[in-house]
Amino acid sequence: KAGVTQTPRYLIKTRGQQVTLSCSPISGHRSVSWYQQTPGQGLQFLFEYFSETQRNKGNFPGRFSGRQFSNSRSEMNVSTLELGDSALYLCASSLSPQGARDYEQYFGPGTRLTVT
Amino acid sequence: DAKTTQPTSMDCAEGRAANLPCNHSTISGNEYVYWYRQIHSQGPQYIIHGLKNNETNEMASLIITEDRKSSTLILPHATLRDTAVYYCIVRVGTGGFKTIFGAGTRLFVKA
Repeated sequence: KAGVTQTPRYLIKTRGQQVTLSCSPISGHRSVSWYQQTPGQGLQFLFEYFSETQRNKGNFPGRFSGRQFSNSRSEMNVSTLELGDSALYLCASSLSPQGARDYEQYFGPGTRLTVT
Repeated sequence: DAKTTQPTSMDCAEGRAANLPCNHSTISGNEYVYWYRQIHSQGPQYIIHGLKNNETNEMASLIITEDRKSSTLILPHATLRDTAVYYCIVRVGTGGFKTIFGAGTRLFVKA
């Protein structure tokens, strides 16, 4: 079974621009979560989507948004990029039926975004 | 939200067991303990999880204390490829994922 895939793997953008990152979950997985990882802050939860609805949200500004499509693929968008947005953005998928707590997440390789 | 406390770093000799502790003293009764690891520049990898009982799979064993306030991840025969950052996580939220990762433990396996 193919794993979680993320595109692109590397990206360089300029301050003020916007960016869209894509995540394809493992086949059959309906939950997709996004994380930001930086050396200073570590792994931080951005948001989770389940059946095209945002189910959980972390503490990030409104410049960070996401969506999920009917095939469970997900995108996240960052508008008005800042230097501090340079990070590894990770996507994770899970079966996660409603109400379940004991399902593991499978992470993709990440997209490394550099903002100059 | 339950939080976890882990040592910043640990060393282990190759071939020996690596025992990684985690404190989660505020864990709720229905929250699970999960362990992930992250090898440099890769996405985190799921290792194991448990609720009350000890668990074992092909990668590791998880020992949870009776009061559930702490746990230990055991890699029975550590190899150089086990060098990574290990995260102990307690599942939070009423549904779905809002996983909070701490700083983790950086495990160095030495030849």
